[in-house]
Amino acid sequence: DVVMTQSPDSLAVSLGERATINCKSSQSLLHSSNNRNYLAWFQQKPGQPPKLLIYWASTRESGVPDRFSGSGSGTDFTLTISSLQAEDVAVYYCQQFYTSSYTFGQGTKLEIK
Amino acid sequence: QVQLQESGPGLLKPSETLSLTCTVSDYSISSGYYWGWIRQPPGRGLEWIGGIYRDGTTYYNPSLKSRVTISVDTSKNQFSLKLSSVTAADTAVYYCARSIAGQLLFNFWGQGTLVTVSS
Repeated sequence: DVVMTQSPDSLAVSLGERATINCKSSQSLLHSSNNRNYLAWFQQKPGQPPKLLIYWASTRESGVPDRFSGSGSGTDFTLTISSLQAEDVAVYYCQQFYTSSYTFGQGTKLEIK
Repeated sequence: QVQLQESGPGLLKPSETLSLTCTVSDYSISSGYYWGWIRQPPGRGLEWIGGIYRDGTTYYNPSLKSRVTISVDTSKNQFSLKLSSVTAADTAVYYCARSIAGQLLFNFWGQGTLVTVSS
């Protein structure tokens, strides 16, 4: 089973500053047939369902602000918020969609410093 | 834009079968995409349960496969989840969702429904 490990578990960043969340998978998520990384990022605010932000490791979902970006390949991935806004306070999850377990990371709680 | 709404009993006893239905609005299930279920125990992370295509082809998380059945009723524009032999560990918010094109990755989600398993 693919294990997804996020770091840190929680993060406090000042408004306007950069926030970086890491995600490591126990096996490569890069598919050789299409050279795509089967990795997604979600944002979840209290009392709401998760919202898809990024898939294929770096493709922004429609309507997602461009301050959100994803990078990485293989087993190591990063979600970056370039300039933190108050509405970005949430828990962020990575998810692999490479294998049939479609596992999520444990989540990273992002707060304002 | 597509809307999804979960419905079903909110309280079950151990060993019973959880049954939830997702009603889809503003999009026909018959038109495509994958449809699926994800759950989240209170205060914890997310677990992918499984998905189904319009033709009835199903995909299950191996860790739950022995207890899960997902079905689709295109005439009612609904799909359903059954989880047998529930225990307290199955207490969670259950979300139904629709996928992006061609992948079992969900980008439209219902608001979720809490199912509690307790004697």
